[in-house]
Amino acid sequence: DAKTTQPNSMESNEEEPVHLPCNHSTISGTDYIHWYRQLPSQGPEYVIHGLTSNVNNRMASLAIAEDRKSSTLILHRATLRDAAVYYCILRDQNSGYSTLTFGKGTMLLVSP
Amino acid sequence: KAGVTQTPRYLIKTRGQQVTLSCSPISGHRSVSWYQQTPGQGLQFLFEYFSETQRNKGNFPGRFSGRQFSNSRSEMNVSTLELGDSALYLCASSEGYSGNTIYFGEGSWLTVV
Repeated sequence: DAKTTQPNSMESNEEEPVHLPCNHSTISGTDYIHWYRQLPSQGPEYVIHGLTSNVNNRMASLAIAEDRKSSTLILHRATLRDAAVYYCILRDQNSGYSTLTFGKGTMLLVSP
Repeated sequence: KAGVTQTPRYLIKTRGQQVTLSCSPISGHRSVSWYQQTPGQGLQFLFEYFSETQRNKGNFPGRFSGRQFSNSRSEMNVSTLELGDSALYLCASSEGYSGNTIYFGEGSWLTVV
């Protein structure tokens, strides 16, 4: 599986936007970029995913670089409930599997 | 729609014993996968079952095994428990296709003493 690189941790203030970066320089053409997050004492939860174009949903936005070697998860207004570990994961659309390969992720700290 | 349900939520076992964890996927989901989470190794994939067949396996010793029943419910078993098996074991379900969203349960906390 192609690897991703994320900062170990980031800090934000409540109600401010947060930009979580992810580098994936070895991404292949069939890899989708997925983001999951894990709140304390919970299982991971899906946030958003995309292939080439920027994506928006009720939780976040995903900005994908034109060469697809990096992406950024954007939380428009961080809340205390957004404090979690965020994982950027590449999923091969042709793998035939329904599994995830997790890296270390980015721990997001949100201050009031 | 009910989420992924795992039982038991917490358990303590002794070295050398064996343990069975259970997972009920979201209704209609045919894929169930298992993950182990430890502070040192992070989240690691154990295995995936689809329609009662194991179709993908992580790099874990044979002491870790699983199965899936015809109703898609799954169990995983760890035999001859070691202290290092203490971890959060997470079950995840999905419809089973490569791009499908994967939904996780809250996990089973296993402590081996």
